[in-house]
Amino acid sequence: GNSVTQMEGPVTLSEEAFLTINCTYTATGYPSLFWYVQYPGEGLQLLLKATKADDKGSNKGFEATYRKETTSFHLEKGSVQVSDSAVYFCALYTGTASKLTFGTGTRLQVTL
Amino acid sequence: DVKVTQSSRYLVKRTGEKVFLECVQDMDHENMFWYRQDPGLGLRLIYFSYDVKMKEKGDIPEGYSVSREKKERFSLILESASTNQTSMYLCASSLSSGVHEQYFGPGTRLTVT
Repeated sequence: GNSVTQMEGPVTLSEEAFLTINCTYTATGYPSLFWYVQYPGEGLQLLLKATKADDKGSNKGFEATYRKETTSFHLEKGSVQVSDSAVYFCALYTGTASKLTFGTGTRLQVTL
Repeated sequence: DVKVTQSSRYLVKRTGEKVFLECVQDMDHENMFWYRQDPGLGLRLIYFSYDVKMKEKGDIPEGYSVSREKKERFSLILESASTNQTSMYLCASSLSSGVHEQYFGPGTRLTVT
């Protein structure tokens, strides 16, 4: 079946540090890949997506590249801010009834 | 902007009570979803609906049912709440065709005592 594996958190960084959150997946076929973010007290919102191999999704300074050879979609940001503190979820979509498969989430805490 | 609203942000119920969680979306989306979110487990799909009066079981449907009488509204029902249903419940909606993002509501934190 489909699955998504994320690095365990929490990840604690100082402001302006470089961020990487690892995500690998197992899927049949050719999935689309997503990163969602959940700020404290809110629901999830889409951060970025990539629909085919070698695509790079980007938004708000975050980037992730769809790597089919390593089945990965790692999230990166060059300089994090306190306002980036949130839980980040990696997810995949295989075209089955619009269902998404989510990872367990990675909490990011950014300090001054 | 798409808006998904949920009837309550916080809810406290007693064991054995019948609980209704309601979700409304305002963008005419065909698909609607109910998830529960638990620490270390991420989001798990309970039920989803791809049309009015249509529903399909997700990964963890036991102990839950759903109702979709109108396109914009999707209700999650706990027939007899139990303490292991204490969780955060998230509703989402999406268009039906293509690779479309899901739009989430703010969540309902349910505590069953």
